[in-house]
Amino acid sequence: QVQLQQSGPGLVKPSQTLSLTCAISGDSVSSNRAVWNWIRQSPSRGLEWLGRTYYRSKWSNDYAISVKSRITINPDTSKNQFSLHLNSVTPEDTAVYYCATFYFDSWGQGTLVTVSS
Amino acid sequence: QAVVTQEPSLTVSPGGTVTLTCGSSTGAVTSGHYPYWFQQKPGQAPRALIYDTSTKHSWTPARFSGSLLGGKAALTLSGAQPEDEADYYCLLVYGGPRVFGGGTTLTVL
Repeated sequence: QVQLQQSGPGLVKPSQTLSLTCAISGDSVSSNRAVWNWIRQSPSRGLEWLGRTYYRSKWSNDYAISVKSRITINPDTSKNQFSLHLNSVTPEDTAVYYCATFYFDSWGQGTLVTVSS
Repeated sequence: QAVVTQEPSLTVSPGGTVTLTCGSSTGAVTSGHYPYWFQQKPGQAPRALIYDTSTKHSWTPARFSGSLLGGKAALTLSGAQPEDEADYYCLLVYGGPRVFGGGTTLTVL
């Protein structure tokens, strides 16, 4: 089964960019059968799907409307991983962030990101 | 963005049957929403139980089943066990974007 390992800072200052990485083992980020998701969870917002990236002859992304103006999800084929970048963060973006596979059958370990000065 | 609705809480007796539902603000839930169901226990990441309305993962206990019921997606638990006490979330697909429901806290009592 695919395994996902997350990395990135647990503390981000307001107005800055939140960046997390999800390293993949057991599959290729470029697989034309795979899709790579980011999700977050907070007490105030519950579970929230943020976006996904996938390769089908070319790279494509889908993003949640709630964060569409601030989010970028990028693949890194050289390192077999994908990343989340969320800019202009506020304390409302404080949450546990997860990466997950196509059918959400494998999840990263979760990263608590706190937005605070 | 669509809003996905679930019962905030439900209670089932051990050995009993309960149905959790998942509705959409845009209208009836269909197979084209590819409904997903997740179970989450305290301190753990969500675990996928069902995808594409009714398809189970290899680890999904047989007592869980997914369906469409009365314009909603449904997760039925038949023969509830104490270990089924958890939060349950559905997710619906709206073309590209996906939206989670607010979750149902299931108590086995």
